[in-house]
Amino acid sequence: QKEVEQNSGPLSVPEGAIASLNCTYSDRGSQSFFWYRQYSGKSPELIMSIYSNGDKEDGRFTAQLNKASQYVSLLIRDSQPSDSATYLCVSGGYNKLIFGAGTRLAVHP
Amino acid sequence: NAGVTQTPKFQVLKTGQSMTLQCAQDMNHNSMYWYRQDPGMGLRLIYYSASEGTTDKGEVPNGYNVSRLNKREFSLRLESAAPSQTSVYFCASSEGGFGAVSGNTIYFGEGSWLTVV
Repeated sequence: QKEVEQNSGPLSVPEGAIASLNCTYSDRGSQSFFWYRQYSGKSPELIMSIYSNGDKEDGRFTAQLNKASQYVSLLIRDSQPSDSATYLCVSGGYNKLIFGAGTRLAVHP
Repeated sequence: NAGVTQTPKFQVLKTGQSMTLQCAQDMNHNSMYWYRQDPGMGLRLIYYSASEGTTDKGEVPNGYNVSRLNKREFSLRLESAAPSQTSVYFCASSEGGFGAVSGNTIYFGEGSWLTVV
């Protein structure tokens, strides 16, 4: 079992819709959680970080964390074609980051 | 501000050849990392250096060696390249660890595409 599990996708949503990306993690000791966006052929870039249970909003992005369920999600409101990319869910501990394999999001006009 | 710079960007090696991937960061970060990314596998940690003068193995260290030359530079060496080492390699850095109160994040270089034939 992978330590951070994500559906590989592709998740296809129409422009303007809400995209919902989910992941689960296995290490209950994980203390920090991140969502990275990676365009094809490019390096990952940080979108959101979340450390405590609940929701955290930043512009069109909302990250949600539920430590009891070991579940992390990312909502993208008003999805744009430029949001089409692979989204990596990451869990972190003291000196360790575990990356999920990523979910490919395709936003079509 | 360059951030994390890694070279070369592209390299083709023959099986058995050796090479070194170079990485430098200008953010005065303590920790540096080497990851490899393969299709469907996500990013996997090869080696990391929590601070200058220390290095530790990650998930997939076999076939690789590293050197933390100074606080800025962290190199990855393939002594005898194998086709299984064909991958995209990312160097990264962070201020420190990723505990809940750290607020730290990791910054990536642009990647090095390595093909071993």
